[in-house]
Amino acid sequence: QVQLQQSGAELVKPGSSVKISCKASGYTFTSYDMHWIKQQPGNGLEWIGWIYPGNGNTKYNQKFNGKATLTADKSSSTAYMQLSSLTSEDSAVYFCAREATVAPQYYFDYWGQGVMVTVSS
Amino acid sequence: DIQLTQSPSSMSASLGDRVSLTCQSSQGIGNYLSWYQHKPGKPPKPMIYYATNLADGVPSRFSGSRSGSDYSLTISSLESEDTAIYYCLQYDEYPYTFGAGTKLELK
Repeated sequence: QVQLQQSGAELVKPGSSVKISCKASGYTFTSYDMHWIKQQPGNGLEWIGWIYPGNGNTKYNQKFNGKATLTADKSSSTAYMQLSSLTSEDSAVYFCAREATVAPQYYFDYWGQGVMVTVSS
Repeated sequence: DIQLTQSPSSMSASLGDRVSLTCQSSQGIGNYLSWYQHKPGKPPKPMIYYATNLADGVPSRFSGSRSGSDYSLTISSLESEDTAIYYCLQYDEYPYTFGAGTKLELK
């Protein structure tokens, strides 16, 4: 069965970077876009971008250009998101989500459990 | 960016009620809209894709519809497990955008 297992909660200092992971299993990792979504405490959902692990292509929400960097390791079927120059605004839960790809079935069919990132000195 | 306006922002209903949640798009997105159910401490769950298609495993009491730029998620007979926040998402144009959500509670 398809599973997306995300790394554990992070407590990081302002100005630092953090890299969170999303390990995929139960499907061909290289054949599906992996998206990342942010949820700040008490707020709604915000789309960050996607990566296609098959060739490393990425697409970002311009708002996250320079903030988020998406990568993927085909050998371990793991997608990563690095967040840099962290501020309190980056404190949030971050989800990875697989996108179903058979038109018009473009939707996020499987999600990771989410990673809480807390930025605090 | 495309704005999705969800209404109401919150509502309460009784068991067995027919409930309709609305998502209005600021510009044309065709049928490229999906709905997600989000409960505390869990990841969002896909409910509807391409405006009217039921995602795998979703009970048949859920349905999606579209009228112009207005999209609706309807629950034909509310059950206690349906209490959650519901988000719509447009995937017609980058950046993908979510609505602010509708919180559905039991009366």
